[in-house]
Order: sequence, then C-alpha cells, then structure tokens
Amino acid sequence: LAKTTQPISMDSYEGQEVNITCSHNNIATNDYITWYQQFPSQGPRFIIQGYKTKVTNEVASLFIPADRKSSTLSLPRVSLSDTAVYYCLVGEGAQKLVFGQGTRLTINP
Amino acid sequence: DVKVTQSSRYLVKRTGEKVFLECVQDMDHENMFWYRQDPGLGLRLIYFSYDVKMKEKGDIPEGYSVSREKKERFSLILESASTNQTSMYLCASSLSGVPNEKLFFGSGTQLSVL
Repeated sequence: LAKTTQPISMDSYEGQEVNITCSHNNIATNDYITWYQQFPSQGPRFIIQGYKTKVTNEVASLFIPADRKSSTLSLPRVSLSDTAVYYCLVGEGAQKLVFGQGTRLTINP
Repeated sequence: DVKVTQSSRYLVKRTGEKVFLECVQDMDHENMFWYRQDPGLGLRLIYFSYDVKMKEKGDIPEGYSVSREKKERFSLILESASTNQTSMYLCASSLSGVPNEKLFFGSGTQLSVL
C-alpha cells in the first residue's frame, strides 16, 4: 500500500492561495491520487483526483510532477468555509485507500 | 449526486448491548464500506462488501460483523458493545470496475457506549 505524508496542520488567511503538498514515494503505476475534504461532524467529501500533470475543477487544482512521487493540492482564494481536514490518498481500488491523519487547514479572517 | 444515508446521527448504548448501524446508498454502487474515525487515528476500515452477501475484513474487524442482504443496504453490527467502540462510524460506497474509484461517504453516526 502506498503511504502518503502530508503536513499535520496549516494556517492561512482569507483570500490567499493555499498549497498542500503530499509525498507518496512508493506510488504504483496504476495508482491515482485523490484528495478528500472533511468538515467537523461530517464524512469526507471527494474534491479532486488525478493521475499525472495538472487537473483543475471548480474547487481546486491538483499538480502532479512527472515522477508522481508527490502532489500539490491548490485552493485558490480561500475563505473561512475552507477550514477543514484534507486527506491525500493514493491507490487503485477504494478498499486499498489508507486515510491518514490528513492536514488540518485553518483559515483566519 | 450519490446519496449515502446513515440511519442515526447520534446513538447512545450501554455496554453489552447489540447495536445495529444502518447505511443505504441510492446509486446502485456495488461496493460499500464501514470505517471508524477516532481522534489522531484517521479513518480505519472495518469491513467492506463488493456484492450482495459478500464481505471482506478490513484493518480492524474485531468486535464487529456486517450484513449485506440487498445491494443498497450495508449494516454494521456490534454484537456486544464495549466502551472502546465509542467512535464516529462512517459508511461509504463506490462504483466498482473503474480504475479511479471514488468513495462517497455518509454523514456519520457518533456512537457512545456507556
């Protein structure tokens, strides 16, 4: 199982761009990189997924370098409502995904 | 959007009681999962099911069992609840057979065993 390492916590301010980097040195050829967001007292919510290069949706961007040993989740112009825990997961097949402690992102006014 | 519904938001039970946690999904997903989430430990997989009447142990199955009689419903059973099973329980579902499988979670059940 590919393990991931991400910062335990991060702080930022409203209107800033936030980048959360995740390392996954043992990623396998067929593994996708997926990020989930979790608010207090709720289940995690899928936000973005990628295999290589860059993926962008209405919520975030995901940057993956050519060696795929790391990835960066980018949240543009964050607001207070982006305060949450963000999980980076790699794997093929949901039963193989390992949720670590995630990154606790706090957005300040 | 997929909807995963967990029957109870909060439950309080006594030690030794039999506890049923129910989960229903409405998108015809083959796979369903039960996790528990504890502070500092992240989410840990208890059991999963990839088809009706099929089940597989996850990382921490001890003290739990599951039932999947219908495709849309996956139940977690605590045969004799103990205080160390106090936790947030999360159900999820996913579509099988795709390489970029995504999990869809319910809102969770906060179980307190006294």
